Amino acid sequence: DIQMTQSPASLSASLEEIVTITCQASQNIGNWLAWYQQKPGKSPQLLIYGTTSLADGVPSRFSGSRSGTQYSLKISRLQVEDIGIYYCQQASSTPPTFGGGTKLELK
Amino acid sequence: QVQLKESGPGLVQPSQTLSLTCTVAGFSLTSYNVHWVRQPPGKGLEWMGVIWNTGGTRYNSALKSRLSISKDTSKSQVFLKMNSLQTEDTATYYCARNLNTLAVVMDAWGQGASVTVSS
Repeated sequence: DIQMTQSPASLSASLEEIVTITCQASQNIGNWLAWYQQKPGKSPQLLIYGTTSLADGVPSRFSGSRSGTQYSLKISRLQVEDIGIYYCQQASSTPPTFGGGTKLELK
Repeated sequence: QVQLKESGPGLVQPSQTLSLTCTVAGFSLTSYNVHWVRQPPGKGLEWMGVIWNTGGTRYNSALKSRLSISKDTSKSQVFLKMNSLQTEDTATYYCARNLNTLAVVMDAWGQGASVTVSS
């Protein structure tokens, strides 16, 4: 199975700050990478797919990028409603696997 | 409006079988694939399996011997059955729709069904 390693595991940031979360794939997955946000007590919600494509209704302050097998999720100006846990997921091969998650908190 | 809703018993005894139903609305099971994903308390996400719009299935090899996914298209329902449950199967179980692409991208999720395995 492809391993997805997320960092950091937790992150504390201030409102309006730029936040970056990274995900390292154990092998080449091309652009087959998605990001999900899970707010406390809620189900995950799709943010980004295909490495860079925003899901419907997702604010433009979210963006995704790739450098080799390292993928990044960037929040350009952190808002209160962005607090939660973020997961990456590779869609290159079965089984699809998730990163361990990054817990984003307000400083 | 796309909706998915899981239902089933909240408590299952060890060695017994878990049966969950995912009832969908706003889309047809003949057009979209539906996944099951679980999340143990305080932990990350684990993909369990998928039923394709065609009715075919694919399972996580770690669960394959215990897991079965089926559907009733006319009732807009997807079913999960997993046998020989153990305490480590305690988790919230989600069904999720696949975005209308070839890639595994889950664009709509149910609220989740919390399942505790305990005697």
